[in-house]
Amino acid sequence: NAGVTQTPKFQVLKTGQSMTLQCAQDMNHNSMYWYRQDPGMGLRLIYYSASEGTTDKGEVPNGYNVSRLNKREFSLRLESAAPSQTSVYFCASPLTGNTGELFFGEGSRLTVL
Amino acid sequence: GQQLNQSPQSMFIQEGEDVSMNCTSSSIFNTWLWYKQDPGEGPVLLIALYKAGELTSNGRLTAQFGTTRKDSFLNISASIPSDVGIYFCAGSETSGSRLTFGEGTQLTVNP
Repeated sequence: NAGVTQTPKFQVLKTGQSMTLQCAQDMNHNSMYWYRQDPGMGLRLIYYSASEGTTDKGEVPNGYNVSRLNKREFSLRLESAAPSQTSVYFCASPLTGNTGELFFGEGSRLTVL
Repeated sequence: GQQLNQSPQSMFIQEGEDVSMNCTSSSIFNTWLWYKQDPGEGPVLLIALYKAGELTSNGRLTAQFGTTRKDSFLNISASIPSDVGIYFCAGSETSGSRLTFGEGTQLTVNP
């Protein structure tokens, strides 16, 4: 699927381990987003990047770091995973020039034991 | 911060029935969007609304941007089994600002 590619799709970690979720988009848009999805809570914004070289905190940034490596790639890092970070993580980028019309990746399902 | 209340949380309907769901916000939005998420997939954009009072259709789906600019509605007519999934509303206060998502409506369609 062209659009937004996330890796890995599944990951199991132990508490305290670190890992990085990778995201790449081929739609040539400036902005990219990381969301987490938890049952009954919708999608909550973790971090976003309005353009290459810039990143900003979203609604739930604690415990995460991000890197906007270039225009295509935006990674999310968990330095010391906690069970509360068990979730499904989605990367997104605008489908069109309107930044609200997001195209989402397929998700990365993370379990922290 | 912004809050979106989406209702109902879940719906169980028979194939062929019509469905309605809605979202209300605590502040005025200038953009409303509706997404659908199939099991194991990311959300997919269904309809985008940019003007108060706007009514937009996409096949059997119709969405409206409420005239108060604090609510939006999604209707699905003549439901079919593939309509199963989670429907999310999302909105933003200004053009280009970050989206706020509702909690989702889980739709189950019985054949």
